[in-house]
Amino acid sequence: NAGVTQTPKFQVLKTGQSMTLQCAQDMNHEYMSWYRQDPGMGLRLIHYSVGAGITDQGEVPNGYNVSRSTTEDFPLRLLSAAPSQTSVYFCASSNRGRGENTEAFFGQGTRLTVV
Amino acid sequence: DAKTTQPPSMDCAEGRAANLPCNHSTISGNEYVYWYRQIHSQGPQYIIHGLKNNETNEMASLIITEDRKSSTLILPHATLRDTAVYYCIVRDPWGSSNTGKLIFGQGTTLQVKP
Repeated sequence: NAGVTQTPKFQVLKTGQSMTLQCAQDMNHEYMSWYRQDPGMGLRLIHYSVGAGITDQGEVPNGYNVSRSTTEDFPLRLLSAAPSQTSVYFCASSNRGRGENTEAFFGQGTRLTVV
Repeated sequence: DAKTTQPPSMDCAEGRAANLPCNHSTISGNEYVYWYRQIHSQGPQYIIHGLKNNETNEMASLIITEDRKSSTLILPHATLRDTAVYYCIVRDPWGSSNTGKLIFGQGTTLQVKP
């Protein structure tokens, strides 16, 4: 059981380039989300999805796109990278519902530098 | 989204209990309290969650006040490996107009000292 897998682990981009951060989970979780974490800060929610075909914006969505064509995958696209997007990106997934078995599982992060 | 307030930092002696407080005075009746921790720059790790009853698992205990406006995470015997940032989160409830999203605050940096 791999859990939440993020690729790549490290990436350097030039300003203006685009790229896709991959996130896959094998737990059949309906809920998936993307966060960014800047140095010394907490995690900020970028986008989230409550199921295949459904996505919504979080706290800091500008400059990012997402789609959810399958339950397993939730890619994050940077449309035109900017130095302000230099950060560590985390993907998470969880079951929906109340109470039991609703804890979120996080990937190990993608460290992105935009020069 | 209900907000949480945590002290920015705390120290604890190794082997002693670490008690991490969290204030969530605007919590609504169907919102759960979740605790996560983040060690170094790893992905956050789930610790425990609860609604109104006290909860215990192999990692920690969660004490929620009767009015649900605050809670305390207890690590019964802290070790050096428990040094981390601890996040208390009130999770948006699931429902037709709610999405269950997790919003992180700044957390409490717990330093366990020998």
